[in-house]
Amino acid sequence: QSALTQPPSASGSPGQSVTISCTGTSSDVGGYNYVSWYQQYPGKAPKLMIYEVSKRPSGVPDRFSGSKSGNTASLIVSGLQAEDEADYYCSSYAGKYNVGVFGGGTTLTVL
Amino acid sequence: EVQLLESGGNLVQPGGSLRLSCEASGFTFGYFAMGWVRQAPGKGLEWVSATDAGGTATYYLESVKGRFTISRDNSKNTLYLQMNSLRSEDTAVYFCAKRAPYCNSIFFGVDVWGLGTTVTVSS
Repeated sequence: QSALTQPPSASGSPGQSVTISCTGTSSDVGGYNYVSWYQQYPGKAPKLMIYEVSKRPSGVPDRFSGSKSGNTASLIVSGLQAEDEADYYCSSYAGKYNVGVFGGGTTLTVL
Repeated sequence: EVQLLESGGNLVQPGGSLRLSCEASGFTFGYFAMGWVRQAPGKGLEWVSATDAGGTATYYLESVKGRFTISRDNSKNTLYLQMNSLRSEDTAVYFCAKRAPYCNSIFFGVDVWGLGTTVTVSS
């Protein structure tokens, strides 16, 4: 049950696109199409942004998208806006008898 | 309005016990898997435990197995986490979490989170 690997930080200017990676193993990210992404502001609860690799819950802007290749999943934020500045966590299903696993989180800064 | 309200967090000495509660409202509690996610100060999120809608299937983080017990009372719309033999590394904000209705497992997606309750393990 090791944490998934995310870069500690990412940044971009307003209007630009940024990609946040999330690397796991064949036992989690690579083994299932059940990667989700959460946005968290300081002192607040997380918010689901992407589930099942690339699906968006109702109300999440289509500027947020997800993809996966092998053991690495990615969150793409296009048309960056100031309110996108937050921490982002990936999460993956890790098998029938295990709890899910999160990444260490990435702080996104809008320059 | 769908809400989760945690309670029970406190300062406790190493080796002590606490019971966290999460009271749900605004949805049919007994239809959904529920769980606990924690966040240590300045750190990332970590799944602690989860249970299915009926409370029969339970899942635990390896480091809490044998010390924590998750349970639920669907008649009271309440989720619990009994925490025994607490260690300093259990210090964290504990969030209550609900499975998203469009996901087949709570580990596929959480759509509702509580505000969290703080557990501090220190002498």
